[in-house]
Amino acid sequence: KAGVTQTPRYLIKTRGQQVTLSCSPISGHRSVSWYQQTPGQGLQFLFEYFSETQRNKGNFPGRFSGRQFSNSRSEMNVSTLELGDSALYLCASSGPGQGVGEQFFGPGTRLTVL
Amino acid sequence: AQSVTQLDSHVSVSEGTPVLLRCNYSSSYSPSLFWYVQHPNKGLQLLLKYTSAATLVKGINGFEAEFKKSETSFHLTKPSAHMSDAAEYFCVVSDRSGNTPLVFGKGTRLSVIA
Repeated sequence: KAGVTQTPRYLIKTRGQQVTLSCSPISGHRSVSWYQQTPGQGLQFLFEYFSETQRNKGNFPGRFSGRQFSNSRSEMNVSTLELGDSALYLCASSGPGQGVGEQFFGPGTRLTVL
Repeated sequence: AQSVTQLDSHVSVSEGTPVLLRCNYSSSYSPSLFWYVQHPNKGLQLLLKYTSAATLVKGINGFEAEFKKSETSFHLTKPSAHMSDAAEYFCVVSDRSGNTPLVFGKGTRLSVIA
């Protein structure tokens, strides 16, 4: 089975731009979660989608949004980028057969905002 | 509310010596606890998990952790460190329903010296 894939792996943007990141979960997984990882704040939960519905949302401003498609692929969008949005964005999926809290992570998208 | 405190941001050990990574948790109810590992430029991987069964949990690559309710701790140990163990380790707490997001500790970077 292929693992969780994230595209692109690296991205450089400038302040004020917007960006869209993509995540393809493991086949059969319907839950996709997104996290932001920074040296200062560590791993912070952004949101979770299950069957195209947002099930949970973290404490991030409205500039951060996401969606999930019928094939379970997910995208997250960040509008009006700020320098502080520079981070590693991780996507994780889970599905039937996994216990609570068991997630499979992708390698992440490294976003740099200049 | 739940939280996790990893007591050391960096631990350095010699190859072949024991590893101890410390984690304390806070939870309003009986938690599920996890350790995830992140190797450089890779996504997180689940090492082991505690749900409600045996308090001593064995994971992959020789790691184990003991749930101690009286001490609210879930320390990760390994009898003998290997160079390949060098990575970032995250202690994670969740409720048992799976309806709330995972809460990550800040991480402990493990260095293994030859």
